[in-house]
Amino acid sequence: NAGVTQTPKFQVLKTGQSMTLQCAQDMNHEYMSWYRQDPGMGLRLIHYSVGAGITDQGEVPNGYNVSRSTTEDFPLRLLSAAPSQTSVYFCASSLVTGSTGELFFGEGSRLTVL
Amino acid sequence: GNSVTQMEGPVTLSEEAFLTINCTYTATGYPSLFWYVQYPGEGLQLLLKATKADDKGSNKGFEATYRKETTSFHLEKGSVQVSDSAVYFCALSPLRGQNFVFGPGTRLSVLP
Repeated sequence: NAGVTQTPKFQVLKTGQSMTLQCAQDMNHEYMSWYRQDPGMGLRLIHYSVGAGITDQGEVPNGYNVSRSTTEDFPLRLLSAAPSQTSVYFCASSLVTGSTGELFFGEGSRLTVL
Repeated sequence: GNSVTQMEGPVTLSEEAFLTINCTYTATGYPSLFWYVQYPGEGLQLLLKATKADDKGSNKGFEATYRKETTSFHLEKGSVQVSDSAVYFCALSPLRGQNFVFGPGTRLSVLP
């Protein structure tokens, strides 16, 4: 009963490095999304996808890239890490949007950029 | 547009006190409403939900009623425990094709 799995849980990067946060779900959900959570800022949507091959920008997309080649996976790429990207990142999925179904969250990935 | 407003806290209560966290929303149509809870160091998990007007969601002693006339979904619990210390998020799921909308979260601390 895995649900939404994120890796890694913790990562430290130097400014300018790139990395990928992995997200996988085993619930056959159409909708997947990435949020960042910063103190006093709540949850902010970075990118989302409503199905394989379809992605779109959220509220704070700059500096991040996503792709959705399969229904299960939705990786988030940091192209050139900056200290402002120090945050906790959450992947979330749902069967569809605009329904009565809930959004399922991963456990989070804590990223520090030095 | 769609939005959620909730009291930001922090809220500090003694064990067995009554809890209310206010949540109001703005949305087109008839969204579903949710309360999520985030315990320290963990992801968000669904606490309860309501999908239509006058529905009451309940779980673990928490309750919230979907009030369309006041566009509210206030969270209540009659007697809080130390283990309820967490951050609580009110959220709505609007029309199909639109993203979930979250409130800023309310941090609750319950003291023994």
